[in-house]
Amino acid sequence: AQTVTQSQPEMSVQEAETVTLSCTYDTSESDYYLFWYKQPPSRQMILVIRQEAYKQQNATENRFSVNFQKAAKSFSLKISDSQLGDAAMYFCAYRSNRGSTLGRLYFGRGTQLTVWP
Amino acid sequence: GAVVSQHPSRVICKSGTSVKIECRSLDFQATTMFWYRQFPKQSLMLMATSNEGSKATYEQGVEKDKFLINHASLTLSTLTVTSAHPEDSSFYICSARGAGSLVEQYFGPGTRLTVT
Repeated sequence: AQTVTQSQPEMSVQEAETVTLSCTYDTSESDYYLFWYKQPPSRQMILVIRQEAYKQQNATENRFSVNFQKAAKSFSLKISDSQLGDAAMYFCAYRSNRGSTLGRLYFGRGTQLTVWP
Repeated sequence: GAVVSQHPSRVICKSGTSVKIECRSLDFQATTMFWYRQFPKQSLMLMATSNEGSKATYEQGVEKDKFLINHASLTLSTLTVTSAHPEDSSFYICSARGAGSLVEQYFGPGTRLTVT
């Protein structure tokens, strides 16, 4: 089974600063998606950003961008100009596009992000 | 994005009773639904995957007779926790996706189950 590793249980950042959350994954597949989800205190899972493995260009969504290193199986999330509302648990996730596990998400353990005013 | 609802948002039940949690896709047809369990400050643990009209596929270690999953229509899946015990207390989250390999998966807001 695919594994997703988030090695930072907790991170903190000052408001308006930049923070990077790390994620590595293990797979033998070539066709897959990677995601970052945010889970605020409400517990609602919110999709932050998505990366397709066959695309070399790193995905960006406003203040959120990723550094996707396919050979290294690394997928970090950079949050620029951090805001208080960014405080949440962030989960990195992997999704296969083929086979019996099609559509299934494999989650990392999460990184709790604190934003200081 | 598409909307997935869960009902109830919170439920308290007595030990030994059963409780049903509903997951609905409000504006799309969900061919596949996933049920997760999440303990405080932990990740989501996939319990089972259900495809409309088929039996659910349970993850290893999940008791299928205890956690009954039904996906009888393209907009509704239910999770029934039978003979609940305090250790079943947890946060249960469903997600749903439509047909097609590239289709997004949408999450419900979750259900907090407390078994007393």
